[in-house]
Amino acid sequence: DAGITQSPRHKVTETGTPVTLRCHQTENHRYMYWYRQDPGHGLRLIHYSYGVKDTDKGEVSDGYSVSRSKTEDFLLTLESATSSQTSVYFCATGGQGDEQYFGPGTRLTVT
Amino acid sequence: SQKIEQNSEALNIQEGKTATLTCNYTNYSPAYLQWYRQDPGRGPVFLLLIRENEKEKRKERLKVTFDTTLKQSLFHITASQPADSATYLCALDMANAGNMLTFGGGTRLMVKP
Repeated sequence: DAGITQSPRHKVTETGTPVTLRCHQTENHRYMYWYRQDPGHGLRLIHYSYGVKDTDKGEVSDGYSVSRSKTEDFLLTLESATSSQTSVYFCATGGQGDEQYFGPGTRLTVT
Repeated sequence: SQKIEQNSEALNIQEGKTATLTCNYTNYSPAYLQWYRQDPGRGPVFLLLIRENEKEKRKERLKVTFDTTLKQSLFHITASQPADSATYLCALDMANAGNMLTFGGGTRLMVKP
C-alpha cells in the first residue's frame, strides 16, 4: 500500500446520490486503475488512465466516470449510485514495469 | 473473451508442506502472467511475474511455472508457514492492452500449524 492512499476508506450512501472516490499516489506512476472486487467476480477493471487527462473504459464502466487532472490523483465518480455498485473499490498504479501496486481499498455501501 | 480459472475452494495444508495453486486460462495467449497475494481487508500485493518465454521463476520460497501449451501456471510455496495464509490471485495481461490486467477469482490458502 506504500505510496497509494484512497479516501474515504468507508462510505455509506443512498441510492441516487453522487459519490466520488479519490486515489492519490506519490510514486509518480504513469498508469492508474480503478477496480471493483465482489464475491464470485474477483477484481474487475472499471476505468484506467495512461496519463493526465488520458482515460479509457475497462470491463465494467457503465455508471462510472473518472478524471485525472494531475499525475498523482485519479477520481472515480458514481453519478447516481445504485445498490449494484455496493462493492470494495481498489485503486492501483503501474510504472515502467508490468506489475501493479494497489491501494488499501474503499468499502462502499449503497442503501 | 479471455477467461481465467482458479480453484475457488480453499486449499488447506499443514505447516512445512508445499502449497501448489493452479491458474488456468482460455481463449488467449498472454505475454505474461502475474501472481498477487491478498490479505483480508487489504489490497493485493504483487509477488511474481513470469513471461511467455520463461518456464519457471523463483523468489525465496516461491516458485511459478508457466506452460503456454497447457495454458496453465502453477504457483508453489515451499516450507509453508501459517503467515502464508491468504488469498492468491493470478492475473494476465489483457489482449492488445499490455498495461491492463485480467484477474482470476483467487484461491484461499490456509496453512495450519
